[in-house]
Parts: sequence; structure tokens; C-alpha cells
Amino acid sequence: TAGITQAPTSQILAAGRSMTLRCTQDMRHNAMYWYRQDLGLGLRLIHYSNTAGTTGKGEVPDGYSVSRANTDDFPLTLASAVPSQTSVYFCASSDSNRNTEAFFGQGTRLTVV
Amino acid sequence: GNSVTQMEGPVTLSEEAFLTINCTYTATGYPSLFWYVQYPGEGLQLLLKATKADDKGSNKGFEATYRKETTSFHLEKGSVQVSDSAVYFCALVGFQKLVFGTGTRLLVSP
Repeated sequence: TAGITQAPTSQILAAGRSMTLRCTQDMRHNAMYWYRQDLGLGLRLIHYSNTAGTTGKGEVPDGYSVSRANTDDFPLTLASAVPSQTSVYFCASSDSNRNTEAFFGQGTRLTVV
Repeated sequence: GNSVTQMEGPVTLSEEAFLTINCTYTATGYPSLFWYVQYPGEGLQLLLKATKADDKGSNKGFEATYRKETTSFHLEKGSVQVSDSAVYFCALVGFQKLVFGTGTRLLVSP
């Protein structure tokens, strides 16, 4: 079982350009999340989705958008990247209806120059 | 709302020392509690979990007990190894809300 897959693994992006980070899970989890992690420590929630067709804002949503067209995919888009969006991005999923653990992808390291 | 507070790091220990990383939580209802570990350059992995009061989660020599009376879920290990050096996150899930602590970096020297 693949679990949760993110792509790309890393990317260098020019400021002002747009980019979509991909996330796919094969566990049929209802909930999916996007976090950013700066300086190798705290996770900050960007956006989340509790079910296909719905999304919600986390604590740092500005400059990011998401969609949840189906259960498996939860792409994160940066419309016009800025250097402060340089970070490691993690996607996660969980069966939130059962209060079970979240599963994480391996992360995308994004550098905006 | 729900929240998790864990001790700030870094925690620096010598190999074979005893480890405690404190975690307390605030939540309504009966959340599930978790410890995750993140090794350098990797994503978060579930280390252990407990789903109800007085449950003890354990894995790889680590353990934590769900204490409802003190709203705590402290992580312990009797004898740490260099390979345990990582960042540890306490987390809870309740009412479909997933909340993480800020993470504690553990450094173990030979």
C-alpha cells in the first residue's frame, strides 16, 4: 500500500510563478490536510478538507488555495509565490470520523527565489 | 478549543539516559492522543497512541500513558540511543479536529 504520496519531492521556484503541490492517498480517508514546517520544527495548518467537495482554512491560508474534487486527491496551489513561502510542505490524511491517527507524506521542499 | 502543549527543546541526553518529554492537552470530550516522530529529512511517523483514559501506548521502547486526571500524555523511554535523535510531536484528535504540539527536538550523544 502506497499510503500517501506527495510530488514533487523538491522544487526551486521563481518568485511570482505559480505552482501546484500534489497529494494523493489510497486509504479512502475522509480528511486531508496541508501543513508547512519551517526551521524543522512546528507544523502550521494551511488548509484542510473533512470530505470531498469541502475545504476549510487553517491558521496560515493566505497565498494558498486547495480543492478536493474527489476522496483521493488534495492539491495545494500557490498562485504567485513569494520567498516567505519557502518551506517544507506536508500533506496528511486521516479517518477523522473515528478519531484515528493521521498519516503523512514525505514532504515537498520548496524554495522560492 | 483543543490544544496541545509540549516542552520546548532541545533536549540533550547521553546514550542510555532516561527520557521524559512532557505533553499536556486541553480538549472537550474524549480525544485520542498520539506521539509522532520525525527523523531528519523525513515526514512524521506515528510512534504510539492511546484512545482512552489510562491506556498506555508503547513502541520501540517508548511509552506514554493517557492521564485524564492530569490531562497529560508524557513520553518516556528508559534508555535512549543515538538513533532516537529526532523531533517528537504530541498530538490529539477530537471532534474531527487534529491538533499538534510545537515539537521537541531530542539530541542523543554517544
